[in-house]
Amino acid sequence: SQTIHQWPATLVQPVGSPLSLECTVEGTSNPNLYWYRQAAGRGLQLLFYSVGIGQISSEVPQNLSASRPQDRQFILSSKKLLLSDSGFYLCAWSVMNAAGQYFGPGTRLTVT
Amino acid sequence: AQSVTQLDSQVPVFEEAPVELRCNYSSSVSVYLFWYVQYPNQGLQLLLKYLSGSTLVKGINGFEAEFNKSQTSFHLRKPSVHISDTAEYFCAVSVDKLIFGTGTRLQVFP
Repeated sequence: SQTIHQWPATLVQPVGSPLSLECTVEGTSNPNLYWYRQAAGRGLQLLFYSVGIGQISSEVPQNLSASRPQDRQFILSSKKLLLSDSGFYLCAWSVMNAAGQYFGPGTRLTVT
Repeated sequence: AQSVTQLDSQVPVFEEAPVELRCNYSSSVSVYLFWYVQYPNQGLQLLLKYLSGSTLVKGINGFEAEFNKSQTSFHLRKPSVHISDTAEYFCAVSVDKLIFGTGTRLQVFP
């Protein structure tokens, strides 16, 4: 069966520091991968998605970037965090759009 | 473009009562429809999905949803809720990407 991992689970970082969040998927090949952000009390905002290694599409201009160095690895990064980057970051995978997306456990990021 | 509207931001209900969480969507093409549940500080879990065929879809944890094309709705229902159903519920629509509603907080009281 397929599983998706995210780490770390929680993170507290000062403003201006770098960020690296990692997501890996097991049990499937060539998945579509997604990064979402969920701000407190709000819905999900799609940040990036990837249909293959090195292929990244950005949905919202921002302080963040994403990379996909391996088929089942998706990384979210920032060179300098802003207070507004605080939130709950969710990674998801899918094989086909019709099958729906499957989410990881999330990373709670607090920028202080 | 597609959009999703969840009509209630919060739904309070007593345990063992029935509940309906409302979802309406807008799209000029056929869509796939989903309901997800999110427990506190966790990721989203797929409850059920409508792709085609029968308009009544059954999901996990006793939930079901009915697709109504004429009313462009996909309401989620459960005949008898439990305390453990307290969570945030998201409706989503997909053509090429998944578009989420803003969520409905279901609060079940004893």
